[in-house]
Amino acid sequence: GDSVTQTEGQVTVSESKSLIINCTYSATSIGYPNLFWYVRYPGEGLQLLLKVITAGQKGSSRGFEATYNKEATSFHLQKASVQESDSAVYYCALSDSSGSWQLIFGSGTQLTVMP
Amino acid sequence: NAGVIQTPRHKVTGKGQEATLWCEPISGHSAVFWYRQTIVQGLEFLTYFRNQAPIDDSGMPKERFSAQMPNQSHSTLKIQSTQPQDSAVYLCASSLVLGGREQYFGPGTRLTVL
Repeated sequence: GDSVTQTEGQVTVSESKSLIINCTYSATSIGYPNLFWYVRYPGEGLQLLLKVITAGQKGSSRGFEATYNKEATSFHLQKASVQESDSAVYYCALSDSSGSWQLIFGSGTQLTVMP
Repeated sequence: NAGVIQTPRHKVTGKGQEATLWCEPISGHSAVFWYRQTIVQGLEFLTYFRNQAPIDDSGMPKERFSAQMPNQSHSTLKIQSTQPQDSAVYLCASSLVLGGREQYFGPGTRLTVL
């Protein structure tokens, strides 16, 4: 079945430094999956950060970017300069573009931004 | 827009008791999803409805778990004879039928089975 892998469980970065959170996926269905990044800030619910439904395109939101790389089957999340308020848990997810709409999530990456 | 509403936010049950969790999707959203989150298993899909019809329940445990959507404004997840391993945060999400299918999540119900 389909799967999403986030290799880093925890990432610590100093404020104003750059960030990359890795995400790779495996999708067995025909066509390319829709890809998402969700975020959970402390004390808040899970919310959509960005999405990309077309291979090769880039999504962006709140200074974060992610590019849908179908050759590498990757969807890494990047930010040029993080802020303390970015501290949160980030989840990469996919959904089948033609079949079930269920989201398949990675295990999540806890980002801590040090002042 | 109140977002997805889930009640109760916390529920504690004794082993063997029944638990019913409620979800009110965003008005106008025709798809409703249920997920479960635990530290060990992470975020797992349980089931979903589209236009109130059950579409995919492939993630639902075969026994004791059931879900319904009697009208477009709410869905319920019922767990009979709860067990300690059912302890988790249960998340409900809703989505428009058209578009990029992004799902909007509620705050979750934390179920603790003693």
